[in-house]
Amino acid sequence: EADIYQTPRYLVIGTGKKITLECSQTMGHDKMYWYQQDPGMELHLIHYSYGVNSTEKGDLSSESTVSRIRTEHFPLTLESARPSHTSQYLCASSEYRGGRYEQYFGPGTRLTVT
Amino acid sequence: AQTVTQSQPEMSVQEAETVTLSCTYDTSESDYYLFWYKQPPSRQMILVIRQEAYKQQNATENRFSVNFQKAAKSFSLKISDSQLGDAAMYFCAHLANNNDMRFGAGTRLTVKP
Repeated sequence: EADIYQTPRYLVIGTGKKITLECSQTMGHDKMYWYQQDPGMELHLIHYSYGVNSTEKGDLSSESTVSRIRTEHFPLTLESARPSHTSQYLCASSEYRGGRYEQYFGPGTRLTVT
Repeated sequence: AQTVTQSQPEMSVQEAETVTLSCTYDTSESDYYLFWYKQPPSRQMILVIRQEAYKQQNATENRFSVNFQKAAKSFSLKISDSQLGDAAMYFCAHLANNNDMRFGAGTRLTVKP
């Protein structure tokens, strides 16, 4: 089982609020990712990190920001939430170990902005 | 950049029967990884099976197996003896050498009792 956690699991918040979605992993993986997924739709990469102090934007433009101060922690922040930010946010981490590539996903945060 | 195509938005299978989900991809690389992920209604993404492109042998995990056709850039998933718990969205994914991971649009699998 993967040890990657996301909090909160569900969040309903009003427009204009600042929110931070937490993601933590205890596997010591260097690479971490944030994906956005609308209901029943494909995943889109919005941010990724190759290690501490490394952050890059993904394919899908996002108004969110991320930070990577510690290996195990990769929070995503929205400074001013809008209804268009309503979506499912999935965090993942990966590592290449022992000749195998491993990527694991967190349980996701379902965000609703009213 | 690589692309992943899942041409079946929805599939259904009778319990205990076999179903095959299709996936094709486009890449210029010769070495890469392919994955099938399952996403049940609870929305937790679960790795079902992985395939290294340099391996000719098709990966198998219990009731799940793949048909990997490298020349055709095809990576289908076969689920044998389907169970009600197999009902989920299934995503095919391609991982490039630069760690760029691309997902298909997903196939919603329904299992009929």
